[in-house]
Order: sequence, then C-alpha cells, then structure tokens
Amino acid sequence: AQSVTQLGSHVSVSEGALVLLRCNYSSSVPPYLFWYVQYPNQGLQLLLKYTSAATLVKGINGFEAEFKKSETSFHLTKPSAHMSDAAEYFCAVSDTGRRALTFGSGTRLQVQP
Amino acid sequence: SAVISQKPSRDICQRGTSLTIQCQVDSQVTMMFWYRQQPGQSLTLIATANQGSEATYESGFVIDKFPISRPNLTFSTLTVSNMSPEDSSIYLCSVTPAHGNQETQYFGPGTRLLVL
Repeated sequence: AQSVTQLGSHVSVSEGALVLLRCNYSSSVPPYLFWYVQYPNQGLQLLLKYTSAATLVKGINGFEAEFKKSETSFHLTKPSAHMSDAAEYFCAVSDTGRRALTFGSGTRLQVQP
Repeated sequence: SAVISQKPSRDICQRGTSLTIQCQVDSQVTMMFWYRQQPGQSLTLIATANQGSEATYESGFVIDKFPISRPNLTFSTLTVSNMSPEDSSIYLCSVTPAHGNQETQYFGPGTRLLVL
C-alpha cells in the first residue's frame, strides 16, 4: 500500500521568501511522485512530476522538487514566493502499474505582503 | 495535455435524489478515474472507470451508491445516488492520456455538489 504524508497543513511565508512544502511517501514499489496545485474554486493543476529520470525536477511557475530515495521525500521548493502562489498544494504518489493516485492531506500556502 | 470538461460545474440537490455527473475528454485516454474531495479535505479515489465493463471501486465505495459508466474512450459518468448531506463534496474526474505522458493524471475542473 502507498501513502503520502504532508507535514504542515498551513504554511505562511512572506512575499519573496523561500517556499518549502514537505512531502514524504511510502511505497513498496518504485513510485511516481507528483505535486498538484489547487487554486480557490478550481480543479487540480499539475506542477511537476518525478518518474524515475532526474531526481531534481523543475515544474511550472518556478517550482522544483527533489526526489530523495534515502529519505523517502519529495519536498517542493520555490526560491521566491509570489502573492499568486497562495493556494492548496497536494503531493501524490502512484505506482507504475495501477496508476491511481494516493494524495497527501494537502498544505495551504499563504503569502504575506 | 487533454482538455477535460465536467457537467454540471455545480449543483444544489435535495436529499434522497440522484445526480449524474458527466466527464468528457477531447482526446483518447487510457484510464479514467473519479475522485471525491470533501470540504476542506484531500482527494479520495472512488473508482476506476473501465471502458465497456464494470468500474473498479475502492474500499468504502459501492456501485449501488456511485454507479459509473464509460461507454467509450473519451466519456464517463458518475451518479451519486440517494444523496445525503454527507455527499456534499467536489467530484473530480481525471484521465491518463493515450499518447505522451501516460503516467500523468490530468484533472477536470470538478463538480461542486451541495446536498440539503
């Protein structure tokens, strides 16, 4: 069985500060890992994904994440937060066979002016 | 990536009634899924919609409550039957494309359901 843990249901940063959203996973097989973003009253948008290629993955809007197998982590970072980054962020895991996603509980990012 | 539409985008329903949600994709896809997002919660997989056969349901979800159809490669419906206020959620369909990024799921905009 797979699982995802997102540490911190709410994260608040100042505009221009580093964004760090944490995600740890559990999987019995090599995983695919994803970060999605959900803006208010919208569906989910794919930010980035890890599918066993490069361990440092760059996504849209300046976000990136690093897959660390030894730490079973896939933390999301952005060097400088923008007000438009305020949203809910979900980490998710799937396996290569079944493809269905298991989601973390989500982290709400607030960006203070 | 595939363009996914859902109808209706939102609805307010009375308890005891049923609502059918449609998911339409503009290109062929391999897999289609239905998720539920309860208020303030994360997403939970309801079922995998299989073309031409019965859907595969996750633990805690049953066909009588959430019947699903997938008559072709680009269309699926989810029915929420005999609704109660606890069914108030966002229902999202997702797909994996038949070509290109087949390991990636793309989501529709969701259907926001309120049951009174």
